[in-house]
Amino acid sequence: RKEVEQDPGPFNVPEGATVAFNCTYSNSASQSFFWYRQDCRKEPKLLMSVYSSGNEDGRFTAQLNRASQYISLLIRDSKLSDSATYLCVVSLLMSNYQLIWGAGTKLIIKP
Amino acid sequence: EAQVTQNPRYLITVTGKKLTVTCSQNMNHEYMSWYRQDPGLGLRQIYYSMNVEVTDKGDVPEGYKVSRKEKRNFPLILESPSPNQTSLYFCASSLFGGQPNNQPQHFGDGTRLSIL
Repeated sequence: RKEVEQDPGPFNVPEGATVAFNCTYSNSASQSFFWYRQDCRKEPKLLMSVYSSGNEDGRFTAQLNRASQYISLLIRDSKLSDSATYLCVVSLLMSNYQLIWGAGTKLIIKP
Repeated sequence: EAQVTQNPRYLITVTGKKLTVTCSQNMNHEYMSWYRQDPGLGLRQIYYSMNVEVTDKGDVPEGYKVSRKEKRNFPLILESPSPNQTSLYFCASSLFGGQPNNQPQHFGDGTRLSIL
């Protein structure tokens, strides 16, 4: 079982819709969580950190569920420019500072 | 401009010919890291460095070497490249690796290596 798993998609979503996807992690000692965005094999860029209480940044909402070991990303009022691959990243306590990356979920927003 | 710079961006070479991919950051970051990205596998860490002269293996270090003689530079060396090292490589840096590692990673533009 992969340490961080994501549905690869693609998720084909009409513009303006709300879309959500999850990322599950296997190690309960996971400490920090992030969502990164990657366009067309360009470099990943930090979208948002995920906090225990959940957090929101504009149209984006991130949630953490420690009991079920998953994080989620919700995108409201989706734009064409939201089309990208979304990478889930987890860091482990006492992991020698390594980050564990999911393979990504591809999102395609259609007009 | 704050950035991470990798060179070259693209390289096609042959098996066994030593190559170096350079990485430099101008943000005075302590933590630097190399990843490779392959379809369906996500980013996998090759090596990382907490600071000058401190390096450690990531998940897939075989066939690679690194050095950190200066804070800003973290070159990736393939002593004898093989076709299974054909991949997209990213260098990244962050202010401090820390524990928990909660600093955002700043990535270079990527280096696409093809080993024939």
